[in-house]
Amino acid sequence: GQNIDQPTEMTATEGAIVQINCTYQTSGFNGLFWYQQHAGEAPTFLSYNVLDGLEEKGRFSSFLSRSKGYSYLLLKELQMKDSASYLCAVLDSNYQLIWGAGTKLIIKP
Amino acid sequence: GAVVSQHPSWVICKSGTSVKIECRSLDFQATTMFWYRQFPKQSLMLMATSNEGSKATYEQGVEKDKFLINHASLTLSTLTVTSAHPEDSSFYICSAKTGGAVTEAFFGQGTRLTVV
Repeated sequence: GQNIDQPTEMTATEGAIVQINCTYQTSGFNGLFWYQQHAGEAPTFLSYNVLDGLEEKGRFSSFLSRSKGYSYLLLKELQMKDSASYLCAVLDSNYQLIWGAGTKLIIKP
Repeated sequence: GAVVSQHPSWVICKSGTSVKIECRSLDFQATTMFWYRQFPKQSLMLMATSNEGSKATYEQGVEKDKFLINHASLTLSTLTVTSAHPEDSSFYICSAKTGGAVTEAFFGQGTRLTVV
């Protein structure tokens, strides 16, 4: 079956760095997305990786290793507004998005 | 990025009534739209995929007669929850994508449905 694993919850301190991991086992791979979702709101796009390596976008970076079925989202200089759920999603061989359960990130002052 | 507008943002209805949720792509043509529901503290659950001009494809376990999906144009898809019951209370989210294999999914704002 298809499976995406990410931690349920993480806690970090304002100003610090946090890494959210995602491992996947899917039928085919056509890219991996990271989305941010605040409570009661729809997800918003953060990043898309299809090749191995690190993609940097301001305070957020996303890494992919296809051979390991692994990705991480790195958030630097954490702000209180970064408190949200972070969803990992993989595009499978049928170009369907397979969603992880999300990681709830709690930022403490 | 592209804009997807979902309406209404929240709705309260009586048990047994029907509710229609609209999803519009405002500045692009959405060949495919997806409908999700999300229970508290859980991830998105895909309900159905709809392509313009054809019948929606429902995921296993989703009742197509209860959740009616119409994708009548390249900019509008609707989800109608028929004969709603309290257990249908959930957060419903649509997303849309343009043609082409790999594009990000653009999400509507979501609709919070409460059935009383």
